[in-house]
Amino acid sequence: GQSLEQPSEVTAVEGAIVQINCTYQTSGFYGLSWYQQHDGGAPTFLSYNALDGLEETGRFSSFLSRSDSYGYLLLQELQMKDSASYFCAVNDGAGANNLFFGTGTRLTVIP
Amino acid sequence: DGGITQSPKYLFRKEGQNVTLSCEQNLNHDAMYWYRQDPGQGLRLIYYSQIVNDFQKGDIAEGYSVSREKKESFPLTVTSAQKNPTAFYLCATWTGGTEAFFGQGTRLTVV
Repeated sequence: GQSLEQPSEVTAVEGAIVQINCTYQTSGFYGLSWYQQHDGGAPTFLSYNALDGLEETGRFSSFLSRSDSYGYLLLQELQMKDSASYFCAVNDGAGANNLFFGTGTRLTVIP
Repeated sequence: DGGITQSPKYLFRKEGQNVTLSCEQNLNHDAMYWYRQDPGQGLRLIYYSQIVNDFQKGDIAEGYSVSREKKESFPLTVTSAQKNPTAFYLCATWTGGTEAFFGQGTRLTVV
C-alpha cells in the first residue's frame, strides 16, 4: 500500500525557519506536492516537485530527493498566520486514484 | 470565478437519517473526489469519479453513496449505515497534474 509519513506537530518561533519532512512509500512516483490547511478551511496548494532539488516560492521552498523517497517543506521568516496544518501528497501514477495524502503536520508559530 | 462550491457549510444529522452534501464545480475538470477528515487527521478518500455516470469506491466507502449525473456535480449521501458520520467533508477535483482543488468543506455533526 501507499504510505506517507510526516511529524504530527511542530512548534517554531515567529521569524524563524522551520522544516517539515515527508517520507513516502508508493508503488510509483510522478510528483510530491504540499498543501496548507487552516482550521476549518480547505487545503490550498503550496508547491509541487517532480524532479530532485529545491523549488522556491516566496517564503516557502520545497525539496525532493526521489532516491531517498523524501521531501520537505521549508518555511522562512515565520509569521503567526503560518500556523496551520501542512500535508504532503504523492501522485503515484496517471490514473484518477493516484493522489495520496499524508496525515499532516500541525505547525504552531509562537511569538 | 472558477472553483468548487460545497453546501451547506454546517449540517446536522439525526440518528438514522440520510443527508446529502452538495459539491458543484465550474473548472471543467473530469475527476472529482470526496474526502473525510477527522480532527487532527489526514484526508481519507470516500469515493471518486473520473467521468459522468461512473464512480469508484475509495478507502472508506461503507455507509456513503454518490452519483455523477452531470460533470459539474458530485453529491455525497451519508446514509444511516454510516455509524460515525461526524467529520469534516471535503470535495476536490484533480486533473492528474500538479494541483488538486478543494471546496470549503461541510462540517457534519450527528445530534
